[in-house]
Amino acid sequence: QVQLVQSGAEVKKPGASVKVSCKASGYTFTTYAMHWVRQAPGQRLEWMGWIDTGNGNTKYSRKFQGRVTITRDKSATTAHMELNSLRSEDTAVYYCARSFYGSGSPPYSWGQGTLVTVSS
Amino acid sequence: SYELTQPSSVSVSPGQTARITCSGDALPRTYTYWYQQKSGQAPVLVIYEDNKRPSGIPERFSGSSSGTMATLTISGAQVEDEAHYYCYSTDSSDNHRGVFGGGTRLTVL
Repeated sequence: QVQLVQSGAEVKKPGASVKVSCKASGYTFTTYAMHWVRQAPGQRLEWMGWIDTGNGNTKYSRKFQGRVTITRDKSATTAHMELNSLRSEDTAVYYCARSFYGSGSPPYSWGQGTLVTVSS
Repeated sequence: SYELTQPSSVSVSPGQTARITCSGDALPRTYTYWYQQKSGQAPVLVIYEDNKRPSGIPERFSGSSSGTMATLTISGAQVEDEAHYYCYSTDSSDNHRGVFGGGTRLTVL
C-alpha cells in the first residue's frame, strides 16, 4: 500500500531554513507528482507547490515563490521541501501528498505531517 | 491571486442534507475536488473532477458544478461527517497552480 513517511518535527529560529523529507513506498515513485501543503494551527490548508517526480519540473504557489524549493531523489524515492527565511507565521504542519493520478492531478495520499515551529 | 470562497460554517441535524459551496472565477474551466478533514487527521479526498467519488467514499457524498460555483452535497448527513471540508482547484490563468478554499466547518447535531 502507498506510504509516505515524513521526517520529524523541527524547531527553527526566524531567518533560518528548514528541509522536510518525504519517503515514498508502495508504488512507482516517478508515475505520480508530489504536492506539498501546509496548515498553520487552526487555519486552512495552503497549497505550496508540487514536483513532477519523473522529470523534476516544479510549480510553486506565488505566495512561496522564491522562498520554497521542492526536489526529489528518484533513487531514494524521496521528495524534499525546503523553505527559507522562516518567520513565525511559517509555524505549521507541513504535508507531502502524492497526486491522485498523473502530474497535475490533486493531492490524494498524504504523509503524516511534519510540525515546523519557528520561534526565537 | 486566485481565490476559492467557501462559507465558514454549515450546520444540519442528523439525516438532513448538507450543502457546501465553493465559488471561483476559473471553475467553469477547471475541475473541483473536495476534501474532508477531521480534527488532528490528514485530509481525505471525497469528490474528484466535480462529481466523482473515490473508492471507499459513501454514496451520500456527491458533487456538482455549474458556472463559477461548485457544491458538495451530503445526503442524510451523519454525526461522523462532522469535519472541515475544503474545495481545491487550479487557476487556469496561472499555469495551473493549485489553490484550496478557506474551508467550511460542518456541524451535525
